[in-house]
Amino acid sequence: AQTVTQSQPEMSVQEAETVTLSCTYDTSESDYYLFWYKQPPSRQMILVIRQEAYKQQNATENRFSVNFQKAAKSFSLKISDSQLGDAAMYFCAYRSVRGGNEKLTFGTGTRLTIIP
Amino acid sequence: EAEVAQSPRYKITEKSQAVAFWCDPISGHATLYWYRQILGQGPELLVQFQDESVVDDSQLPKDRFSAERLKGVDSTLKIQPAELGDSAMYLCASSLDFGTGGSNEQFFGPGTRLTVL
Repeated sequence: AQTVTQSQPEMSVQEAETVTLSCTYDTSESDYYLFWYKQPPSRQMILVIRQEAYKQQNATENRFSVNFQKAAKSFSLKISDSQLGDAAMYFCAYRSVRGGNEKLTFGTGTRLTIIP
Repeated sequence: EAEVAQSPRYKITEKSQAVAFWCDPISGHATLYWYRQILGQGPELLVQFQDESVVDDSQLPKDRFSAERLKGVDSTLKIQPAELGDSAMYLCASSLDFGTGGSNEQFFGPGTRLTVL
């Protein structure tokens, strides 16, 4: 079974600065998807960024980028130019590419606080 | 913008009572998921539907939980009887396709926060 570990329960960053959230995972599969989801207080979870394991190039979405290290099974999220609206719980998630096994396996989350 | 709808947003009940949660996925989404998120943890899948059929309910406590999606559109999750340990956020999500192996993004609803007293 796959597992996802987020070792940072809480992080804080000064507004406009850069912060990196860590995630490691364990799997025996060679191909899979990795995701970062954002869950603002009292609002629904939204997808921030995704990475296909077969792609060596790290995914980027505006101020959000990942550092995907397949051999180390590491998948960190970098947020540049942090904004107050980035304050939320961030979850790292794993999904198999095997058709029919669509479920997401989540880590325990990291609470990100933005300091004005 | 289309969203996943859930109701109620909050539910307080006493143990041994029955509770039900409703989810309306994004129109046209074939796959529907119910996740449970205990405070301080990440969501865990309870049940997954493809249209009206259950694809995965291996983590659903079937002695007290049931889920249905009769017409392959909206879905109901029921707990009877509720226990103290059922206090959690219940999240519904939907995705467009099934079994394609693609990234198939899951869109989440706002959740129902259940408190069992």
